[in-house]
Amino acid sequence: SQTIHQWPATLVQPVGSPLSLECTVEGTSNPNLYWYRQAAGRGLQLLFYSVGIGQISSEVPQNLSASRPQDRQFILSSKKLLLSDSGFYLCACLGSSNEKLFFGSGTQLSVL
Amino acid sequence: KNQVEQSPQSLIILEGKNCTLQCNYTVSPFSNLRWYKQDTGRGPVSLTIMTFSENTKSNGRYTATLDADTKQSSLHITASQLSDSASYICVVESGGSYIPTFGRGTSLIVHP
Repeated sequence: SQTIHQWPATLVQPVGSPLSLECTVEGTSNPNLYWYRQAAGRGLQLLFYSVGIGQISSEVPQNLSASRPQDRQFILSSKKLLLSDSGFYLCACLGSSNEKLFFGSGTQLSVL
Repeated sequence: KNQVEQSPQSLIILEGKNCTLQCNYTVSPFSNLRWYKQDTGRGPVSLTIMTFSENTKSNGRYTATLDADTKQSSLHITASQLSDSASYICVVESGGSYIPTFGRGTSLIVHP
């Protein structure tokens, strides 16, 4: 069965510092991978998605970037964090069977 | 534009009572509809997934219905428990897109 590992669970970073959130997937190959952000009490906002290695589509222009160096690895990065980057970040995976969209456990990012 | 609207935005019920959450969508072409439960600070967890030909699907005390003609779905929770307190998210996938469309969610609070 598919599992998603996302870390860290919580992160407190100062404004202007870099960011790297990692997500790895097990139990499937060639999945579609997604990064979402969820502000407190709000719905999920799609940030990036990837249909294959090195293929990244950005949905929201901002100071974040994503990379997919391996089939089952998806990384969310920033060179300089802003206060507005605070939020709950979720990695998601849609496996090759396309039956279910799986989510990671999330990373609560606080930028101070 | 594909959209998913959920109602109510929030709901408070007493433990043991039943409740029904609504989801209306304008996603085309329709592929499937999923209901997720998201506990605070956690990733969403799939409850049900329904395709075009399915009208009802149950998962324990959760029963989802789908009317593909009116493009409506409901999630009925029977004999609510305190642990049902969470956000319930409706997600509709289009056959022509890699990107699922998310509703904003219904926040359910079950009081003892």
